[in-house]
Amino acid sequence: KNEVEQSPQNLTAQEGEFITINCSYSVGISALHWLQQHPGGGIVSLFMLSSGKKKHGRLIATINIQEKHSSLHITASHPRDSAVYICAVTKDFKETSGSRLTFGEGTQLTVNP
Amino acid sequence: DAGVIQSPRHEVTEMGQEVTLRCKPISGHDYLFWYRQTMMRGLELLIYFNNNVPIDDSGMPEDRFSAKMPNASFSTLKIQPSEPRDSAVYFCASSPPHGKGGNTIYFGEGSWLTVV
Repeated sequence: KNEVEQSPQNLTAQEGEFITINCSYSVGISALHWLQQHPGGGIVSLFMLSSGKKKHGRLIATINIQEKHSSLHITASHPRDSAVYICAVTKDFKETSGSRLTFGEGTQLTVNP
Repeated sequence: DAGVIQSPRHEVTEMGQEVTLRCKPISGHDYLFWYRQTMMRGLELLIYFNNNVPIDDSGMPEDRFSAKMPNASFSTLKIQPSEPRDSAVYFCASSPPHGKGGNTIYFGEGSWLTVV
């Protein structure tokens, strides 16, 4: 069983729809990251969070530490949101460990016009 | 800031040849990571450095792989000899010191390697 699991693996939506991608993890973490990878391959960090909720534009990320669960929401989705969304966690607690990430398998999102 | 810079962006090489991938981290970042992405295994950490010192290389697949960081602004990942199963996208990433900008990680554009 993977330490970080995402659902769904694939998601197709119509433009304007509200989208939710889920991430569950089974290890203790110091932070959880949501990453976006576009078809060209580049990876961008969307959020890093260790508690509560963060919002950036149409994107919202939440985390429940007790339940070991995080969600990424996209409001008013747009075709340009089509990408792979990857959940990753920082497992290490030592100060010198930096951001050693453990990744989920990713969710392929396609938003149709 | 120019971000994390990787080269080459694409490389096609023959089996048995040496491959060297290069990375320039963001200035001021003291953590540098090398990741590999394949369809079968997704993203995997190969090795990471802190202040130019290798901290964890347990993800390096075998002796054919080696990584160096001679100074704070440059790192290399070398594969010698290369094999077709090494074909993948190799990402370099960097992050600031712990507590300064948190653990936010910044990825390069990746080096797409094909070994034929």
